[in-house]
Amino acid sequence: NAGVTQTPKFQVLKTGQSMTLQCAQDMNHNSMYWYRQDPGMGLRLIYYSASEGTTDKGEVPNGYNVSRLNKREFSLRLESAAPSQTSVYFCASSADPKVTQYFGPGTRLLVL
Amino acid sequence: KQEVTQIPAALSVPEGENLVLNCSFTDSAIYNLQWFRQDPGKGLTSLLLIQSSQREQTSGRLNASLDKSSGRSTLYIAASQPGDSATYLCAVREAGANNLFFGTGTRLTVIP
Repeated sequence: NAGVTQTPKFQVLKTGQSMTLQCAQDMNHNSMYWYRQDPGMGLRLIYYSASEGTTDKGEVPNGYNVSRLNKREFSLRLESAAPSQTSVYFCASSADPKVTQYFGPGTRLLVL
Repeated sequence: KQEVTQIPAALSVPEGENLVLNCSFTDSAIYNLQWFRQDPGKGLTSLLLIQSSQREQTSGRLNASLDKSSGRSTLYIAASQPGDSATYLCAVREAGANNLFFGTGTRLTVIP
């Protein structure tokens, strides 16, 4: 099993460009999550999907959109990137919201 | 809003020492608490999950305790090894919520 995979691993964007971060899991988990990790701050939840067909905002959703494409895939889109969105983005999944989350390797995003 | 604090931010110990990492949280109405390990440039790996009704969990050389009423958790690592060098993060899930609130982590270095 690959677990949780994320693409790309690293990306450089110019301010105003758009991009989609991809996440897939092969553990048949119902719940999926997007976090960002910034220096000196804990991971913060951007959006989550408790089950296929549902998405909800987390702590820092502004500037992002998500799509739960199917049970396996959960994408994060930046419509107009800003330097404040420079961060490391982690996708995670869990069988349900109340149990252990499994994390992907992360995507490092630099917005110039 | 739940706030999670981890002190110290960094810790260096010689190989073989037993050590304790601390985590405190401001709102005791939690559902569970998790300890994660993060290696440089990598994702998070779940180490232990303690439900709010439990006092401790053990896995190998790791023991995590939870005192919900005082808002504290500790991660005890016995007989530390250089391979334990990593950043350790704690995260709490509030009752009735899907969010995980993360601390900023303790960066552990075990010196051979």
